[in-house]
Amino acid sequence: GDSVTQMEGPVTLSEEAFLTINCTYTATGYPSLFWYVQYPGEGLQLLLKATKADDKGSNKGFEATYRKETTSFHLEKGSVQVSDSAVYFCALVRMNTGFQKLVFGTGTRLLVSP
Amino acid sequence: DGGITQSPKYLFRKEGQNVTLSCEQNLNHDAMYWYRQDPGQGLRLIYYSQIVNDFQKGDIAEGYSVSREKKESFPLTVTSAQKNPTAFYLCASSKGDSVIQETQYFGPGTRLLVL
Repeated sequence: GDSVTQMEGPVTLSEEAFLTINCTYTATGYPSLFWYVQYPGEGLQLLLKATKADDKGSNKGFEATYRKETTSFHLEKGSVQVSDSAVYFCALVRMNTGFQKLVFGTGTRLLVSP
Repeated sequence: DGGITQSPKYLFRKEGQNVTLSCEQNLNHDAMYWYRQDPGQGLRLIYYSQIVNDFQKGDIAEGYSVSREKKESFPLTVTSAQKNPTAFYLCASSKGDSVIQETQYFGPGTRLLVL
């Protein structure tokens, strides 16, 4: 079945460091790919998405490119801030008899220190 | 502002008790979802509803029940049959246009603890 694999955390960085969180997926067909972010004690917020191969999603300085050849959707940011500390979830969606089913990775916690 | 509200923020359940988690949305979305989040795991789908008066089981529906009598509301009942209910529960909604790139919007969550 479909699955998403993320790097284990926590990822600990100093402010202004470069961030990469790896995400790979297994799916038949051409799923859409998402990154969601969860701040402490809150629900999930959509961070960015990409719907086809070579698409680049971007938001708030974060970027991820849909790489079909490597089945990857790695999240990157050039300079992290303390406020970026959160849990990041990679997810894919595919249609299942007309229903949009989201499949999540296990999440990667990011801790940014001043 | 449009959004999804969940209540209560924290809920305590006694052994053998049924409890109901509230989820309301004013986004005019047709589709609604319930997820369960456990530490170190991704979100798992409990139930979903594509339209009023219709709902379907997700991957881990045992011990849970839902209703969808109004478009705006999708309450989740955790029954006494759910033996390990301690978790963070998230409600979500989407337009329901059945397009693969559609975004799901999430509420702030309810944390359920067993006394």
